[in-house]
Amino acid sequence: EAQVTQNPRYLITVTGKKLTVTCSQNMNHEYMSWYRQDPGLGLRQIYYSMNVEVTDKGDVPEGYKVSRKEKRNFPLILESPSPNQTSLYFCASSRLGGFTQYFGPGTRLLVL
Amino acid sequence: AQKVTQAQTEISVVEKEDVTLDCVYETRDTTYYLFWYKQPPSGELVFLIRRNSFDEQNEISGRYSWNFQKSTSSFNFTITASQVVDSAVYFCALKVDAGGTSYGKLTFGQGTILTVHP
Repeated sequence: EAQVTQNPRYLITVTGKKLTVTCSQNMNHEYMSWYRQDPGLGLRQIYYSMNVEVTDKGDVPEGYKVSRKEKRNFPLILESPSPNQTSLYFCASSRLGGFTQYFGPGTRLLVL
Repeated sequence: AQKVTQAQTEISVVEKEDVTLDCVYETRDTTYYLFWYKQPPSGELVFLIRRNSFDEQNEISGRYSWNFQKSTSSFNFTITASQVVDSAVYFCALKVDAGGTSYGKLTFGQGTILTVHP
């Protein structure tokens, strides 16, 4: 089954404790992206990657890091989480161009 | 820069009513793509439809229909004979076919919360 998976689905952590949210897709998509969803703001792009070892900032990259060492994986790293990073996070993937982006199930993060 | 506006924050209807969700977009690019996604209470994002800027044909899929009008920069979504299972947050999104920063980015509207009462 074609899908985008994320782990963990739910996470409660404390300020400053490094964490990683994993994202994996099995569709051989070149393009992968991370979004965060906040009430009243819709979804906003954090980082994206057009292929292995090619990543770039989105609209709200502060406080986040990413890497793309393999085509299927695109982890999101919070080196020192803060409460304002409490949000619902989505990973997405697609072929390059105007193709549809498919989303993972989301990760709910609470930073205390 | 791109922008998507969903002016209706919340809509409440009774089952079997028709409901239209509005979406207005802004872009200077001539090639772009419009999307609708559904987010049910379980939280995942479900893809509903994708339209190219050069294809203004309206589309119908069962109880769902979409009206794309470039003249008014709108891409509205109508649910006919709504059902309780249609209750969700609906997002309209825009992607432009251009390089530069945030390549491939989906620009989302704020979302419309639809509640269908039995």
